[in-house]
Amino acid sequence: SAVISQKPSRDICQRGTSLTIQCQVDSQVTMMFWYRQQPGQSLTLIATANQGSEATYESGFVIDKFPISRPNLTFSTLTVSNMSPEDSSIYLCSVGLLTDAAEQYFGPGTRLTVT
Amino acid sequence: KNQVEQSPQSLIILEGKNCTLQCNYTVSPFSNLRWYKQDTGRGPVSLTIMTFSENTKSNGRYTATLDADTKQSSLHITASQLSDSASYICVVILMDSNYQLIWGAGTKLIIKP
Repeated sequence: SAVISQKPSRDICQRGTSLTIQCQVDSQVTMMFWYRQQPGQSLTLIATANQGSEATYESGFVIDKFPISRPNLTFSTLTVSNMSPEDSSIYLCSVGLLTDAAEQYFGPGTRLTVT
Repeated sequence: KNQVEQSPQSLIILEGKNCTLQCNYTVSPFSNLRWYKQDTGRGPVSLTIMTFSENTKSNGRYTATLDADTKQSSLHITASQLSDSASYICVVILMDSNYQLIWGAGTKLIIKP
């Protein structure tokens, strides 16, 4: 398994500002993903964070709004840019292990509220 | 279209009782199916993983079943405890190079004393 930490655990931000969320894993992983979970709903994949190259975004998500970095095999960041109240969600980092890329482990999430 | 549907949307039962949650899917090509438990304010945690050839898999008081012919799965919880209160999410994984996950909306389970 993998131990995943996220920072911050929660934040309240003003409209128009940006927030960067960090995801740290205790072991090297092949794949890192960022999800959004809006209130009362299930998870929606935002993008796959690729080491050393641009992230792969899902339909409806763009790099200008959700820039992602992944400088190595254990760390990634997601920035939520120019925030609006509609961005209020839980943002979750998940990872796939080198030994079993089909299994995913999830971080505790970052609860974001935009006022 | 690849979809995962869960029922009921929410469920309230008394502590000690059993319950069964349902998952129907239209996902192809199918790799495997997972049930996750998500406590409020936490990330999902995997309960069971089932491949095409598996019919039943248990994890303590949790028993998952899979009928690949009818594309249905269920999660049975025995002798429920207050700590079982959570959302239970059914996820089907596509057999493609990216192991794409198709998420259900989840069933919110509340256990009352």
